Amino acid sequence: GESVGLHLPTLSVQEGDNSIINCAYSNSASDYFIWYKQESGKGPQFIIDIRSNMDKRQGQRVTVLLNKTVKHLSLQIAATQPGDSAVYFCAENGGATNKLIFGTGTLLAVQP
Amino acid sequence: DSGVTQTPKHLITATGQRVTLRCSPRSGDLSVYWYQQSLDQGLQFLIHYYNGEERAKGNILERFSAQQFPDLHSELNLSSLELGDSALYFCASSVAGYGTGELFFGEGSRLTVL
Repeated sequence: GESVGLHLPTLSVQEGDNSIINCAYSNSASDYFIWYKQESGKGPQFIIDIRSNMDKRQGQRVTVLLNKTVKHLSLQIAATQPGDSAVYFCAENGGATNKLIFGTGTLLAVQP
Repeated sequence: DSGVTQTPKHLITATGQRVTLRCSPRSGDLSVYWYQQSLDQGLQFLIHYYNGEERAKGNILERFSAQQFPDLHSELNLSSLELGDSALYFCASSVAGYGTGELFFGEGSRLTVL
Protein backbone atom coordinates (compact mmCIF):
# COMPACT_ATOMS: atom_id res chain seq x y z
CA GLY A 1 0.00 0.00 0.00
CA GLU A 2 0.98 3.62 0.23
CA SER A 3 3.90 4.19 2.51
CA VAL A 4 6.48 6.66 3.53
CA GLY A 5 9.30 5.07 5.49
CA LEU A 6 12.04 6.27 7.77
CA HIS A 7 15.53 4.78 7.90
CA LEU A 8 16.20 5.32 11.59
CA PRO A 9 13.56 4.84 14.23
CA THR A 10 15.72 6.49 16.92
CA LEU A 11 18.38 9.15 16.64
CA SER A 12 20.41 10.26 19.63
CA VAL A 13 22.49 13.44 19.36
CA GLN A 14 24.41 15.73 21.68
CA GLU A 15 23.08 19.17 22.39
CA GLY A 16 24.61 21.63 19.97
CA ASP A 17 25.27 19.07 17.27
CA ASN A 18 23.45 19.01 13.95
CA SER A 19 20.78 16.36 13.40
CA ILE A 20 19.81 14.71 10.16
CA ILE A 21 16.59 12.74 9.92
CA ASN A 22 16.04 10.76 6.74
CA CYS A 23 12.92 9.62 4.97
CA ALA A 24 12.22 7.51 1.91
CA TYR A 25 8.94 8.04 0.11
CA SER A 26 7.28 5.59 -2.22
CA ASN A 27 5.06 7.54 -4.58
CA SER A 28 6.91 9.20 -7.45
CA ALA A 29 3.77 11.22 -8.16
CA SER A 30 4.08 13.07 -4.84
CA ASP A 31 4.74 16.74 -5.40
CA TYR A 32 4.45 18.06 -1.88
CA PHE A 33 6.32 16.99 1.23
CA ILE A 34 6.11 18.12 4.79
CA TRP A 35 7.87 17.52 8.10
CA TYR A 36 6.06 17.43 11.41
CA LYS A 37 7.27 17.29 14.99
CA GLN A 38 5.28 15.54 17.68
CA GLU A 39 6.09 16.06 21.33
CA SER A 40 4.88 13.61 23.91
CA GLY A 41 1.16 13.93 24.55
CA LYS A 42 0.61 16.51 21.83
CA GLY A 43 -0.58 16.64 18.28
CA PRO A 44 1.91 16.95 15.41
CA GLN A 45 3.21 20.43 14.65
CA PHE A 46 4.31 21.73 11.28
CA ILE A 47 8.04 22.29 10.82
CA ILE A 48 8.68 22.89 7.15
CA ASP A 49 7.40 21.88 3.74
CA ILE A 50 8.78 21.63 0.23
CA ARG A 51 7.32 21.25 -3.22
CA SER A 52 8.78 18.96 -5.83
CA ASN A 53 10.02 21.85 -7.96
CA MET A 54 12.58 22.60 -5.24
CA ASP A 55 15.59 20.65 -3.97
CA LYS A 56 16.15 22.57 -0.77
CA ARG A 57 14.28 24.84 1.54
CA GLN A 58 15.47 26.53 4.69
CA GLY A 59 13.66 27.66 7.76
CA GLN A 60 14.79 28.75 11.16
CA ARG A 61 17.50 26.22 12.14
CA VAL A 62 15.92 23.64 9.84
CA THR A 63 16.59 22.66 6.26
CA VAL A 64 14.70 20.17 4.15
CA LEU A 65 16.41 18.48 1.22
CA LEU A 66 14.56 16.65 -1.50
CA ASN A 67 16.14 14.16 -3.89
CA LYS A 68 13.48 13.10 -6.35
CA THR A 69 15.83 10.79 -8.22
CA VAL A 70 16.06 8.42 -5.29
CA LYS A 71 12.82 9.50 -3.62
CA HIS A 72 14.55 10.67 -0.49
CA LEU A 73 13.78 13.48 1.90
CA SER A 74 15.84 14.71 4.82
CA LEU A 75 15.41 17.16 7.65
CA GLN A 76 18.47 18.87 9.03
CA ILE A 77 18.30 20.59 12.39
CA ALA A 78 21.18 22.88 13.22
CA ALA A 79 22.52 23.27 16.76
CA THR A 80 20.07 20.76 18.17
CA GLN A 81 18.53 21.75 21.48
CA PRO A 82 16.83 19.70 24.22
CA GLY A 83 13.53 21.22 23.12
CA ASP A 84 13.98 19.50 19.77
CA SER A 85 13.50 16.11 21.42
CA ALA A 86 10.38 14.66 19.82
CA VAL A 87 9.18 12.26 17.15
CA TYR A 88 9.63 13.59 13.63
CA PHE A 89 7.39 12.54 10.77
CA CYS A 90 7.74 13.11 7.08
CA ALA A 91 4.66 13.07 4.89
CA GLU A 92 3.86 13.11 1.19
CA ASN A 93 0.72 14.02 -0.71
CA GLY A 94 0.87 11.24 -3.34
CA GLY A 95 0.21 13.72 -6.13
CA ALA A 96 -3.37 14.88 -6.62
CA THR A 97 -4.79 12.49 -4.05
CA ASN A 98 -6.19 14.92 -1.50
CA LYS A 99 -4.31 12.92 1.12
CA LEU A 100 -1.27 13.49 3.26
CA ILE A 101 0.45 10.18 4.02
CA PHE A 102 2.76 10.03 7.02
CA GLY A 103 5.78 7.88 7.70
CA THR A 104 6.28 5.89 10.87
CA GLY A 105 8.38 8.52 12.61
CA THR A 106 11.87 8.96 14.03
CA LEU A 107 12.47 9.62 17.69
CA LEU A 108 15.08 12.33 18.18
CA ALA A 109 16.68 12.23 21.61
CA VAL A 110 18.90 15.19 22.47
CA GLN A 111 21.45 14.53 25.19
CA PRO A 112 22.47 17.55 27.30
CA ASP B 1 -2.80 25.97 20.68
CA SER B 2 -3.50 24.96 17.08
CA GLY B 3 -7.08 26.19 17.11
CA VAL B 4 -8.40 22.69 16.40
CA THR B 5 -10.59 21.27 19.15
CA GLN B 6 -11.20 17.60 19.69
CA THR B 7 -13.55 15.98 22.15
CA PRO B 8 -13.47 13.87 24.19
CA LYS B 9 -9.79 13.85 25.15
CA HIS B 10 -10.05 10.39 26.67
CA LEU B 11 -12.59 7.66 26.19
CA ILE B 12 -12.74 4.17 27.66
CA THR B 13 -15.28 1.74 26.36
CA ALA B 14 -15.90 -1.96 25.84
CA THR B 15 -15.64 -4.16 22.78
CA GLY B 16 -18.70 -4.09 20.59
CA GLN B 17 -19.62 -0.56 21.56
CA ARG B 18 -19.94 2.54 19.40
CA VAL B 19 -18.34 5.93 19.98
CA THR B 20 -18.34 9.31 18.30
CA LEU B 21 -15.32 11.60 18.20
CA ARG B 22 -15.81 15.25 17.46
CA CYS B 23 -13.59 17.81 15.80
CA SER B 24 -13.96 21.55 15.40
CA PRO B 25 -11.53 22.93 12.83
CA ARG B 26 -9.74 26.25 12.98
CA SER B 27 -11.87 29.19 12.08
CA GLY B 28 -11.87 29.57 8.30
CA ASP B 29 -10.48 26.13 7.53
CA LEU B 30 -12.64 24.10 5.17
CA SER B 31 -10.67 20.85 5.23
CA VAL B 32 -10.79 18.27 7.97
CA TYR B 33 -8.56 15.20 8.06
CA TRP B 34 -8.79 12.25 10.42
CA TYR B 35 -5.80 10.14 11.41
CA GLN B 36 -5.36 7.13 13.65
CA GLN B 37 -2.15 6.77 15.62
CA SER B 38 -1.29 3.51 17.29
CA LEU B 39 2.10 2.43 18.59
CA ASP B 40 3.04 0.17 15.72
CA GLN B 41 1.39 2.03 12.85
CA GLY B 42 2.39 5.65 13.09
CA LEU B 43 -0.13 8.17 11.75
CA GLN B 44 -2.58 6.37 9.49
CA PHE B 45 -4.69 8.53 7.20
CA LEU B 46 -8.38 7.72 7.52
CA ILE B 47 -10.41 10.28 5.62
CA HIS B 48 -10.46 13.86 4.32
CA TYR B 49 -13.45 16.17 4.03
CA TYR B 50 -13.56 19.53 2.32
CA ASN B 51 -16.49 21.88 2.83
CA GLY B 52 -18.81 19.02 3.66
CA GLU B 53 -17.75 16.66 0.89
CA GLU B 54 -15.56 13.61 1.15
CA ARG B 55 -12.34 14.21 -0.75
CA ALA B 56 -10.24 11.14 -0.04
CA LYS B 57 -10.33 7.91 1.87
CA GLY B 58 -7.44 6.05 3.35
CA ASN B 59 -7.34 2.79 5.24
CA ILE B 60 -10.61 3.40 7.00
CA LEU B 61 -12.46 0.33 8.17
CA GLU B 62 -16.06 -0.22 7.14
CA ARG B 63 -16.97 -0.09 10.83
CA PHE B 64 -15.80 3.53 10.85
CA SER B 65 -17.59 6.43 9.24
CA ALA B 66 -17.24 10.17 9.25
CA GLN B 67 -19.01 13.27 8.14
CA GLN B 68 -18.50 17.01 8.02
CA PHE B 69 -21.45 19.19 8.89
CA PRO B 70 -22.52 22.54 7.39
CA ASP B 71 -20.84 24.37 10.27
CA LEU B 72 -17.64 22.50 9.23
CA HIS B 73 -17.22 20.49 12.38
CA SER B 74 -16.64 16.81 11.81
CA GLU B 75 -17.46 13.58 13.58
CA LEU B 76 -15.78 10.21 13.36
CA ASN B 77 -18.01 7.30 14.28
CA LEU B 78 -16.42 4.05 15.35
CA SER B 79 -18.71 1.04 15.78
CA SER B 80 -18.43 -2.62 16.78
CA LEU B 81 -15.25 -1.66 18.55
CA GLU B 82 -12.42 -4.13 18.86
CA LEU B 83 -9.37 -4.15 21.10
CA GLY B 84 -7.21 -3.18 18.13
CA ASP B 85 -9.14 0.06 17.70
CA SER B 86 -7.47 1.42 20.81
CA ALA B 87 -5.43 4.36 19.57
CA LEU B 88 -5.07 8.10 19.44
CA TYR B 89 -7.37 9.67 16.89
CA PHE B 90 -6.26 13.00 15.51
CA CYS B 91 -8.19 15.54 13.59
CA ALA B 92 -6.40 18.16 11.52
CA SER B 93 -7.69 21.10 9.56
CA SER B 94 -6.34 23.23 6.76
CA VAL B 95 -7.43 25.95 4.42
CA ALA B 96 -6.45 24.00 1.32
CA GLY B 97 -8.44 21.08 0.04
CA TYR B 98 -5.91 19.25 -2.08
CA GLY B 99 -3.62 17.49 0.38
CA THR B 100 -1.17 20.36 0.46
CA GLY B 101 -0.51 23.15 2.84
CA GLU B 102 0.00 23.05 6.55
CA LEU B 103 -2.32 20.85 8.54
CA PHE B 104 -3.13 22.02 12.04
CA PHE B 105 -3.63 19.13 14.42
CA GLY B 106 -5.76 18.90 17.49
CA GLU B 107 -4.53 17.30 20.69
CA GLY B 108 -6.20 14.01 19.84
CA SER B 109 -8.81 11.73 21.37
CA ARG B 110 -7.37 8.73 23.15
CA LEU B 111 -9.64 5.72 22.78
CA THR B 112 -9.17 2.68 24.96
CA VAL B 113 -11.23 -0.40 24.18
CA LEU B 114 -11.35 -2.97 26.97
